[in-house]
Amino acid sequence: GAGVSQTPSNKVTEKGKYVELRCDPISGHTALYWYRQSLGQGPEFLIYFQGTGAADDSGLPNDRFFAVRPEGSVSTLKIQRTERGDSAVYLCASSLLLGYEAFFGQGTRLTVV
Amino acid sequence: AQSVSQHNHHVILSEAASLELGCNYSYGGTVNLFWYVQYPGQHLQLLLKYFSGDPLVKGIKGFEAEFIKSKFSFNLRKPSVQWSDTAEYFCAVNARNYGQNFVFGPGTRLSVLP
Repeated sequence: GAGVSQTPSNKVTEKGKYVELRCDPISGHTALYWYRQSLGQGPEFLIYFQGTGAADDSGLPNDRFFAVRPEGSVSTLKIQRTERGDSAVYLCASSLLLGYEAFFGQGTRLTVV
Repeated sequence: AQSVSQHNHHVILSEAASLELGCNYSYGGTVNLFWYVQYPGQHLQLLLKYFSGDPLVKGIKGFEAEFIKSKFSFNLRKPSVQWSDTAEYFCAVNARNYGQNFVFGPGTRLSVLP
């Protein structure tokens, strides 16, 4: 079956603009995670969902970041008033159950200019 | 603060050399442990995982890891590396007492010379 799909694969935006990043998890996976990875670093946790609800959003850096998963499948990470420091690869992962092995997508490379 | 550390930032080996990459974590209680690999231009892939039972776990491509609870360690090993093992390796911990997310180490870049 298909793996985790993230769109777009690359996004270049101007400082101050709004962006949306989409994640299609593996079908049937209840848990969905968002991470951010900067060059030379490990993935940094942002938020995870169990079903439709955000079970833990403690990793979101500030209130410019928001994520939804309205029907318990596809998720969208939304970033308002983007800043150059937001530039990174945004990774999405899903797992059958919380704490089980997570399957990662290819990521969205966000560049804020 | 709770964290995951990886001892080496960059490891360079010749083909057929043995590999050991260190991983330590600072979480108490029950943990699930993982090693992920990221080949150049590809997404993170699971190499192996430990949930419970035998502390020596075997993964794909000849990799194995040993969980030593007393040392809070989960080191990755491979007896004989190949050029195709060149990649970034990440240790990750899911600590049930600290939430259900995965905390990743900073990664170790492995370069295998042909």
